[in-house]
Amino acid sequence: GDSVTQMEGPVTLSEEACLTINCTYTATGYPSLFWYVQYPGEGLQLLLKATKADDKGSNKGFEATYRKETTSFHLEKGSVQVSDSAVYFCALSDQGGSYIPTFGRGTSLIVHP
Amino acid sequence: DTGVSQDPRHKITKRGQNVTFRCDPISEHNRLYWYRQTLGQGPEFLTYFQNEAQLEKSRLLSDRFSAERPKGSFSTLEIQRTEQGDSAMYLCASSSRGSAGETDTQYFGPGTRLTVL
Repeated sequence: GDSVTQMEGPVTLSEEACLTINCTYTATGYPSLFWYVQYPGEGLQLLLKATKADDKGSNKGFEATYRKETTSFHLEKGSVQVSDSAVYFCALSDQGGSYIPTFGRGTSLIVHP
Repeated sequence: DTGVSQDPRHKITKRGQNVTFRCDPISEHNRLYWYRQTLGQGPEFLTYFQNEAQLEKSRLLSDRFSAERPKGSFSTLEIQRTEQGDSAMYLCASSSRGSAGETDTQYFGPGTRLTVL
């Protein structure tokens, strides 16, 4: 079945540092890929998405590129802020089926001033 | 605010009691999903509706759990005879696929945190 593997956290960075959170996936079809962010005590918010190979999703300074050859969708940001502290979830959704997404376990990001 | 809303945000109950949660999706969305999330984990799929039809249920959804979406708008999730293991965040999401080829993207509500004592 489909699966998503994320790097384990927490990831601890100083403000203005570069961020990479690794995400790899296994899927039988041609999934869409997503990054969601969850702030403490809240639900998930869609951060960005990509629907086909080589697409780049971007939002709020975050980027991720759909790499079919390496089955990866790594999240990157050039300069993190304290307000980026949250849990980040990578997910995939098979667009040819029931669209039920498969989520990774989440990676906690802690940014210090 | 036209996002997904959930009520209540927090629920504390005693073991053995029944609880019911409500989800109001984004108004034009025809798909509605329920998930359960425990600490340190990603959301786990429970069930989903397309309009009023419940199309899929996870094996996680025991017979103590029931969900309805009677008019294809809001949905309720009921847990009967709650157990301590039911303590979790219950998330609702909605989506709508428009024209063919458009990506189905889910938008989540804030969740209902259930604590079973």
